[in-house]
Amino acid sequence: SYELTQPPSVSVSPGQTASITCSGDKLGDKYASWYQQKPGQSPALVIYQDTKRPSGIPERFYGSNSGNTATLTISGTQAMDEADYFCQAWDSSTVMFGGGTRLTVL
Amino acid sequence: QVQLQESGPGLVKPSETLSLTCTVSGGSISSYYWSWIRQPAGKGLEYIGRIYTSGSTNYNPSLKSRVTMSVDTSKNQFSLKLSSVTAADTAMYYCATTAVTGEAFDIWGQGTMVTVSS
Repeated sequence: SYELTQPPSVSVSPGQTASITCSGDKLGDKYASWYQQKPGQSPALVIYQDTKRPSGIPERFYGSNSGNTATLTISGTQAMDEADYFCQAWDSSTVMFGGGTRLTVL
Repeated sequence: QVQLQESGPGLVKPSETLSLTCTVSGGSISSYYWSWIRQPAGKGLEYIGRIYTSGSTNYNPSLKSRVTMSVDTSKNQFSLKLSSVTAADTAMYYCATTAVTGEAFDIWGQGTMVTVSS
């Protein structure tokens, strides 16, 4: 079965750039989406179709996808960005999620 | 803006069937895919499957033998049944849709916690 791999944790200082990766076989041939989940809340879509931001998502959230890796980049990271982030892709009419990355802003 | 609200029992006995309903408000259930996703406490997201308003379904192969989804357009609701549950099915269950983007889960319900225990 298709798998997506994320680092368990990423740390970043306020104002710096955070990068969270998601790896999967030929992931660049698929669309990747990213979700942010804060404690006690439902996941929220922050990037879809590799690079698109839903309405209301700040421009500091940026996505890319090439080869075997999709990347979520958050520039000028703020304390409010501290959360779990999950990547997601479609594979043969089913959905795969990465295991999630906890972003810590310290 | 479409909103989703899950409902159903919070406690299910082992070997029994888990039944949840998601009510769609603020818009019509017609012409979109409606999905179920679950998340054990402290863990990642697992896709359960989706249903189109025509009744067409796609299920996660790992759960397919135990999952049944249905839709009731007259009530603007869709439902999940998961049979022969075990403690491993204890999780937060979310309903979600790809109605806005067409392929990413852009609207989520608040989730409902289901515990499998005798």
